[in-house]
Amino acid sequence: DGGITQSPKYLFRKEGQNVTLSCEQNLNHDAMYWYRQDPGQGLRLIYYSQIVNDFQKGDIAEGYSVSREKKESFPLTVTSAQKNPTAFYLCASSILGQPRTPEAFFGQGTRLTVV
Amino acid sequence: AQSVTQLGSHVSVSEGALVLLRCNYSSSVPPYLFWYVQYPNQGLQLLLKYTTGATLVKGINGFEAEFKKSETSFHLTKPSAHMSDAAEYFCAVSERGYGNKLVFGAGTILRVKS
Repeated sequence: DGGITQSPKYLFRKEGQNVTLSCEQNLNHDAMYWYRQDPGQGLRLIYYSQIVNDFQKGDIAEGYSVSREKKESFPLTVTSAQKNPTAFYLCASSILGQPRTPEAFFGQGTRLTVV
Repeated sequence: AQSVTQLGSHVSVSEGALVLLRCNYSSSVPPYLFWYVQYPNQGLQLLLKYTTGATLVKGINGFEAEFKKSETSFHLTKPSAHMSDAAEYFCAVSERGYGNKLVFGAGTILRVKS
């Protein structure tokens, strides 16, 4: 089945540690995104990538890093510089250049908790 | 800059009653508009979208929404609520030609009473 796979579903991090969240898609989508979800705040864009080896900061990029070495993969690293990393993280992808299908498809999310 | 306002962080309806979730947006160019639904600890599922053409769009599970440019609104409705509709709903906007980046509203939690 085509879709977006995020792993792990739950992740616990000690303060001061970096952790990497995985996101893989087999939809052959051009663009990939990372969003952070906090209760009552909706989803906020962390990073996005429209093409391999290129990515741009979103609204809340501080304390996060990404890479896009393959079209299918867009991992997110939460660094120790992120002061409040506990949140639900969602990865998404979309086709570009198709006006009738601009929607994003989402993975099932990773819940990160700092312990 | 784009923004989305969802009126009401919580909405409660009785089973069989009309569901109305409100969404207003701002965008400097003609927008794409979306409604997504999220069940606890899951990802977002697309309910419906407006891209162009007919302003009344129908989605899955009996939901529909109407794009009203003059009111900058995209309210979500369903004639008769079902218990399975209880979830959180997000309105989102993206601007044409800007990489399909979504800007989300804060979400509305829908409760359905039996």
